[in-house]
Order: sequence, then structure tokens, then C-alpha cells
Amino acid sequence: GAGVSQTPSNKVTEKGKYVELRCDPISGHTALYWYRQSLGQGPEFLIYFQGTGAADDSGLPNDRFFAVRPEGSVSTLKIQRTERGDSAVYLCASSSTRAGGHEQFFGPGTRLTVL
Amino acid sequence: AQSVTQPDIHITVSEGASLELRCNYSYGATPYLFWYVQSPGQGLQLLLKYFSGDTLVQGIKGFEAEFKRSQSSFNLRKPSVHWSDAAEYFCAVGPLGGNMLTFGGGTRLMVKP
Repeated sequence: GAGVSQTPSNKVTEKGKYVELRCDPISGHTALYWYRQSLGQGPEFLIYFQGTGAADDSGLPNDRFFAVRPEGSVSTLKIQRTERGDSAVYLCASSSTRAGGHEQFFGPGTRLTVL
Repeated sequence: AQSVTQPDIHITVSEGASLELRCNYSYGATPYLFWYVQSPGQGLQLLLKYFSGDTLVQGIKGFEAEFKRSQSSFNLRKPSVHWSDAAEYFCAVGPLGGNMLTFGGGTRLMVKP
């Protein structure tokens, strides 16, 4: 597709369950970012990939959160032992080069609800 | 640490009126500054960006923003608002050499007919 896609668009799970959120970046974009947007707030940075490696994971809130990008394209954000406080919209973005100078293109997000 | 403040949580303007959305940032050097718009159910769309040079930048949909270093501000403006501009607007900063964007809390714009 032409833009960043994310699946699923909505995910409802129960407290304590494991979830995976997927991001398909724009073809050819080497940089990929995950953000979390809680209700009524701006997006907060979670992790940034350059190629296959996580260049900056300083935004991950704790070790229940993990992300991979094994082939340098699709990325999966994994959340273990979900908590109600994890409920948010998870946004993925990609860019062709480092963001300090270039636009990050955002996907529509995955709305995660933890019951 | 870098931060972005958008002092106005909600703004309501009449269609055809002018608009200014405020953004103040905190950063130790010259930042890269962005304005994004988010409509319900849509992803964030870039309106405009500032990296260097002319401090008045033009964006899409008739928006412009002015970088004022002395005031640490990057306010977004539009001379005449259209009903379709109703959305949430986010200011963001991304440092030179860095990659993560730091966003403000957003301003929700409502447009009265």
C-alpha cells in the first residue's frame, strides 16, 4: 500500500493476556517508530528501529513491552501480561531517513483496550 | 529534557475567522519543529515543519507557522478557517541528530458554522 498500515485496528483483551500489534511501514523506509497515545494526550515515543535493530528503546515503559523488526520491514509490538493502564492507541510511523530533518509518516493506529 | 507545551486544550472559532494555535517548546539547541493534524479515526498528517532558514514556514491546507527563538514558540496560523479544519492539532519537536518526536498535549479545534 501507499501508506503505513497497522493491524488490527482494534484489539480488546483481558488483563494478563499477551497481545501483538503489527505495523507495515512504507516500502523502502528504513526507520520505524512506535508511539503510544493515551486518551486526551499527545503521542509518546516508545521505540525506534533503524533497519532491523532497535536504535532507541528508551520509551518502552517496562520489560512487559518488546518490539521486533526481524527483516527490516514489518514490525511487531508485543505486550505481555497486559494491564488496564496499557489501554491506548498505539501508533506506528516510518521515515526514509533519520527524523531530524525528514517527515515521519504515521499509520492509523491500533486501539488497544484491556478489560 | 525536551518538552512541548500547547496551552490551549480546546479552541472554538467561527468559520471564516482567523486561527492561531500556540506551541512553546523547551530544548537546549535549535530544534526541528513540526505541526501535525489528527482527524477522528485518521493517522497524524504533517501540516508543516521547520528545520532552518526562513522562520515563517508555509504548509498544506493554507496553514503557516512562525518560529520565534526568543520566545521558544512555534505558533500555527490560518487566516480563514474552514469547517473541515475541525480536528486535533499537535506540535512536536525533534532534535538535531535525534529521531524521536516529542509531542505536545494537543489542541482540539472546533469550528462553528
